[in-house]
Amino acid sequence: DAGVTQSPTHLIKTRGQQVTLRCSPKSGHDTVSWYQQALGQGPQFIFQYYEEEERQRGNFPDRFSGHQFPNYSSELNVNALLLGDSALYLCASSLVRVPIGGYTFGSGTRLTVV
Amino acid sequence: QKEVEQNSGPLSVPEGAIASLNCTYSDRGSQSFFWYRQYSGKSPELIMFIYSNGDKEDGRFTAQLNKASQYVSLLIRDSQPSDSATYLCAVLTGGSYIPTFGRGTSLIVHP
Repeated sequence: DAGVTQSPTHLIKTRGQQVTLRCSPKSGHDTVSWYQQALGQGPQFIFQYYEEEERQRGNFPDRFSGHQFPNYSSELNVNALLLGDSALYLCASSLVRVPIGGYTFGSGTRLTVV
Repeated sequence: QKEVEQNSGPLSVPEGAIASLNCTYSDRGSQSFFWYRQYSGKSPELIMFIYSNGDKEDGRFTAQLNKASQYVSLLIRDSQPSDSATYLCAVLTGGSYIPTFGRGTSLIVHP
C-alpha cells in the first residue's frame, strides 16, 4: 500500500531563489493539504487542493503557490525564498476534503534557506 | 482565531508508568479530535481520533474527550522508551475542512 510520497527529502536553497516540492498522495486519496512545520512548532496549514483547484488557504503570502494534477499529485512552489521559510514541509492526503479519519502525512521535505 | 493549546513539555515518565497528555481548544464548535505522534525529524503519524464525549481505547492508548470543558487527553499505559516522541493534538471544527494543530508535547520515557 503506497503511502504519501514526497520529494526531495532535503533541500538547501539560497535566499531569493525559488523551490518546488512534490507530493504523491496515498492510493485512493484525492485531496492534498500542505503544511509548514518550523522547529518546535506544530504544523501550520498552507493550502489544500481538491479537484485540481486550491480550495482553502492559510495565512501564507502569495509567494507560496501550488498545483494539483489530474492524478491527484501536487506541487508546492515558493518564490523569493526568505531565511524564515526554512522548515519541514509536510504533505498530507485524505479521501475527500474533510479528513474525518485523520490525515496520512508524507515523510516531509526539509528546506534550508541560507 | 481557533486555538489549540498544549504544554510543550517535556513530560518525563518512567518506563511502565501512565503518561497523560492534555490539549485544550477554544472553539466550542469543534467536532473531531486527533492525536498524532511525531518522532524527531519524522512526519506525524495518526494514533487515534475521537468524536464523542467519553473515552476511546486502542491498545495502550486511551483518548478522553470532554466537550463541556473543551479538552481532550491522551493516556498511554505501560509507557515504553519507544513512546518517546512529540504528541500533536489536532482539532477540526464543524464547517471547516482544515484541522488546527497544537504545538505538541514532548514525551520522554526513561528506563
